[in-house]
Amino acid sequence: GENVEQHPSTLSVQEGDSAVIKCTYSDSASNYFPWYKQELGKRPQLIIDIRSNVGEKKDQRIAVTLNKTAKHFSLHITETQPEDSAVYFCAASAGNFGNEKLTFGTGTRLTIIP
Amino acid sequence: DVKVTQSSRYLVKRTGEKVFLECVQDMDHENMFWYRQDPGLGLRLIYFSYDVKMKEKGDIPEGYSVSREKKERFSLILESASTNQTSMYLCASSSIGDTQYFGPGTRLTVL
Repeated sequence: GENVEQHPSTLSVQEGDSAVIKCTYSDSASNYFPWYKQELGKRPQLIIDIRSNVGEKKDQRIAVTLNKTAKHFSLHITETQPEDSAVYFCAASAGNFGNEKLTFGTGTRLTIIP
Repeated sequence: DVKVTQSSRYLVKRTGEKVFLECVQDMDHENMFWYRQDPGLGLRLIYFSYDVKMKEKGDIPEGYSVSREKKERFSLILESASTNQTSMYLCASSSIGDTQYFGPGTRLTVL
């Protein structure tokens, strides 16, 4: 089955700097890669996703890049703000429609230092 | 706005009890999922369902069963709760080809 590894497990950055979280996956058939943000005591919420026919996707300060050959994808947050502090999870899926069965990474706790 | 609700936010049960966790979604989603979340382990899929009365095992189904009698409701059952099932349980739902939306979670403690 699919295995997703996520690094680092914790990350502290100064407010205004950039943060990068990296994930690798094992199943070359994986075709859908979402990123979820979970604030303390709240449910995970999708912040961005990418499908395997796209190499990069951007949404304001957040971007995701995908390297299918190397089987890794990364989340980039620029101009970080205190409200970016949360746990971030990457995931991968190889289903027919891309969302039937997500395998999650173990999470990265991001702390933004004011 | 998608709404996924879970029957309890906090639950305390004793070892050996039968436990029911319920999840309801109001968006007519075909897919529903149960995960458990433990520190350092991320979210692990227990079971999922892509249609009424259909179910598929996830990565950690041992000790759990599920029921989906109606499209909007997906129940997770612990037949005989054990202390190693103390965890946060998250339900999610999605339509075909769309992202998963999560419920608020149920923190289960088994004493």
